[in-house]
Amino acid sequence: NAGVTQTPKFQVLKTGQSMTLQCAQDMNHNSMYWYRQDPGMGLRLIYYSASEGTTDKGEVPNGYNVSRLNKREFSLRLESAAPSQTSVYFCASSYGNRGPNTGELFFGEGSRLTVL
Amino acid sequence: GNSVTQMEGPVTLSEEAFLTINCTYTATGYPSLFWYVQYPGEGLQLLLKATKADDKGSNKGFEATYRKETTSFHLEKGSVQVSDSAVYFCALSDPAGGFKTIFGAGTRLFVKA
Repeated sequence: NAGVTQTPKFQVLKTGQSMTLQCAQDMNHNSMYWYRQDPGMGLRLIYYSASEGTTDKGEVPNGYNVSRLNKREFSLRLESAAPSQTSVYFCASSYGNRGPNTGELFFGEGSRLTVL
Repeated sequence: GNSVTQMEGPVTLSEEAFLTINCTYTATGYPSLFWYVQYPGEGLQLLLKATKADDKGSNKGFEATYRKETTSFHLEKGSVQVSDSAVYFCALSDPAGGFKTIFGAGTRLFVKA
């Protein structure tokens, strides 16, 4: 099983450019999440999708949009990148509120984004 | 709101030393508690978990006990190895919060041979 797959792994953008981070999971999970990781701040939730067809804001949603394309895929879009969005982005998935439900997250390998 | 506080790092130990990384939490409901580990260049992976008070999670020689009275979930290992060098994150998932997971800031562990 591939688990959670994120693309791209690395990206350099100029301020004002746009891009989309792609995420796919093959574990039939209901819920998917986007986190950003910054030094000394742990992981902060940007957006999440509790189930197919729903999305909600997390702790730090400003400057981002998301799309839950289907049950497998959850993309994160930066419409106009800013240097403050330089970070490592992680996609994660979980069973959510159905089935085996202890809140365990399964993570992708991360996408390192630099905005100049 | 829910929050997780863990000890700041980095923590530097010699091989075979005893490890403790402290973690305390605040939650409005009855959360599940987790320790995740992140090796260099990788995503996070679950190390251990506990879903109710007094449960002990264990894996790869690591242990943590869910203490509701002290709202703590400290990570311990009796004898660390160089291969344990990583960043460790304490986290909680609260059903009352829609199962959104809240993470601590992470503690970097260096183990010297």
